[in-house]
Amino acid sequence: GDSVTQMEGPVTLSEEAFLTINCTYTATGYPSLFWYVQYPGEGLQLLLKATKADDKGSNKGFEATYRKETTSFHLEKGSVQVSDSAVYFCALSGSGSSNTGKLIFGQGTTLQVKP
Amino acid sequence: SAVISQKPSRDICQRGTSLTIQCQVDSQVTMMFWYRQQPGQSLTLIATANQGSEATYESGFVIDKFPISRPNLTFSTLTVSNMSPEDSSIYLCSTNLAGGLTDTQYFGPGTRLTVL
Repeated sequence: GDSVTQMEGPVTLSEEAFLTINCTYTATGYPSLFWYVQYPGEGLQLLLKATKADDKGSNKGFEATYRKETTSFHLEKGSVQVSDSAVYFCALSGSGSSNTGKLIFGQGTTLQVKP
Repeated sequence: SAVISQKPSRDICQRGTSLTIQCQVDSQVTMMFWYRQQPGQSLTLIATANQGSEATYESGFVIDKFPISRPNLTFSTLTVSNMSPEDSSIYLCSTNLAGGLTDTQYFGPGTRLTVL
């Protein structure tokens, strides 16, 4: 079945460092891909999404490109801030005949940014 | 995006009891979803609740343990029955507003449940 794999955390960076969180997926068909963020003590917020190959999602300085050839959707940010400290989840929507609208999540990556 | 609220925001319950969690959306939606996030873990879908039909449960989740109601297009409840400490989790509802299967899902703030 469909699945999502994220790099393990925690990831600890200094402020203004470059961030990459790797995400790869397995799916039949053409899923939509998402990054969600969960700040401490809060619910999930959509960060960005991409719905087809080569699409780039972007928001708040974060970017991710839908790479079908490598089945990846890595999250990047050029200069992180302390306020970016959170748990980041990569997710896909089911594809093809298995598409029931549900999201399949990766295990989450904790990012800690130190001043 | 929709405003999705959940009640209660948190609760501490005794084992063997049941808790009903409410999810309210500020617009009419077709599909609503219930997820569980166990401590330090990712989110796992419990069931999909469409108005006018029985909820569809994922493997490992059963109606007797997690009964769901969907009385109208803006509201749903999830009950966690006969609770044990293993049920301690954050429970989140979500919806994809436009109703398309690949549309973005928006999440409520979650209900943090602790079972003693």
